Order: sequence, then C-alpha cells, then structure tokens
Amino acid sequence: EAGVTQFPSHSVIEKGQTVTLRCDPISGHDNLYWYRRVMGKEIKFLLHFVKESKQDESGMPNNRFLAERTGGTYSTLKVQPAELEDSGVYFCASSQQGALGTEAFFGQGTRLTVV
Amino acid sequence: QKEVEQNSGPLSVPEGAIASLNCTYSDRGSQSFFWYRQYSGKSPELIMSIYSNGDKEDGRFTAQLNKASQYVSLLIRDSQPSDSATYLCAVSGTYKYIFGTGTRLKVLA
Repeated sequence: EAGVTQFPSHSVIEKGQTVTLRCDPISGHDNLYWYRRVMGKEIKFLLHFVKESKQDESGMPNNRFLAERTGGTYSTLKVQPAELEDSGVYFCASSQQGALGTEAFFGQGTRLTVV
Repeated sequence: QKEVEQNSGPLSVPEGAIASLNCTYSDRGSQSFFWYRQYSGKSPELIMSIYSNGDKEDGRFTAQLNKASQYVSLLIRDSQPSDSATYLCAVSGTYKYIFGTGTRLKVLA
C-alpha cells in the first residue's frame, strides 16, 4: 500500500512568488494534516481536514497560506506571496477516521526555500 | 511554557546501553501519546503509541506514561548505532498532534 506522498520534495523560489505543495494521503484516510518545521524549531500544526472540510486551521500563520482538499482526496497548500520566513519543511500526514488515538502517518515532506 | 517539552540533546549513549528519552506535556486533557523517530532528511516514523498509564513494550522499545505527572518516556534497550536519530514526542487530545522539538540521540559504536 502506498504511503503518504508529497511533491515536490524540494522547492526553491524567490520572495514574492507563489508555490503550491501537494499531498496525497493514504487511500481511505479521511484525516489529513499539514505541519511545518522551521529550522531549529518543533514541528508545528498548520491545519486538519476531515474529508474535504477544514476541521481546524488554527495553525495557519496568515492569509498568505491557502489549503484545499477538493473531493476529499489529495490536498494542496499554496503560499502566495512567499516570504523568507516561510522557508522550512512542510509535512503532510494522514490517519483513518475513527476514535481518539489513531496514528498519523507522515509523508517525506517538501523542503521549501524562499530566497 | 511549551505544550510539549523535550530536551534537545544530543543524548549520547554507548552501543548496548539503555537510552532514556523524556517528554512532559502541559495539557491534562491529552489522551494519546506517540513517539516518532526521524532520521536526518527523512519523514517522522511512528515507533510507539501509548494511551493508558503504565508501560508498553515493543521489542527493544518501552514507552512509559504517567498522566498524573504529565510525563511520557521512551526507553531503548541494547541501543544500536542505527538508533541514532531525532526522537519526537507527540501528544494528542483530539485529532491535532502537538510535537516537542525532539531529542537527538547518538549511539556510539
């Protein structure tokens, strides 16, 4: 069974440009999460989808970030316009719908560098 | 106060020794606790989950949870150089995982 897939694996863009990250969760997983790790800091929650609905987007840093999950399958995270502080590794994770404590499985991450 | 706290390390242990990794959390309502291992440049990989007080053993790994003290730990017995990685503690109350900064473990051959 395929795991959580993210692409691109790396992206280098200039400040002010737009970047779109994609995540394909494990098939059948209704829960999809985006996280970000900035250099030297902990992995921080960005938002959580249940199917196509945003359950919790409390971690989104500002309105330059837009996440979508049309059809409840793959998700995209767009940063527009990108700023230097957006650099980091963006992880996507997914888990099955169910009771508390369902383990989340992570993708390989997208390393974003804004120059 | 951070929601999930870990000592960033590095924690260095000799090969064959027991490595002890600790984590404290602030939200008493947390119900699920996870340990992830992350090799440099790779994604976090789940190695243990624990939901109730006490110990949970899986091979060389033992997770310990004490909800009264808001403390969760991971013991790695017979540490191997291949165990060298960053170990992330994650705590969940609902579906949202809160991560610590991770502890870097070095197992010396």
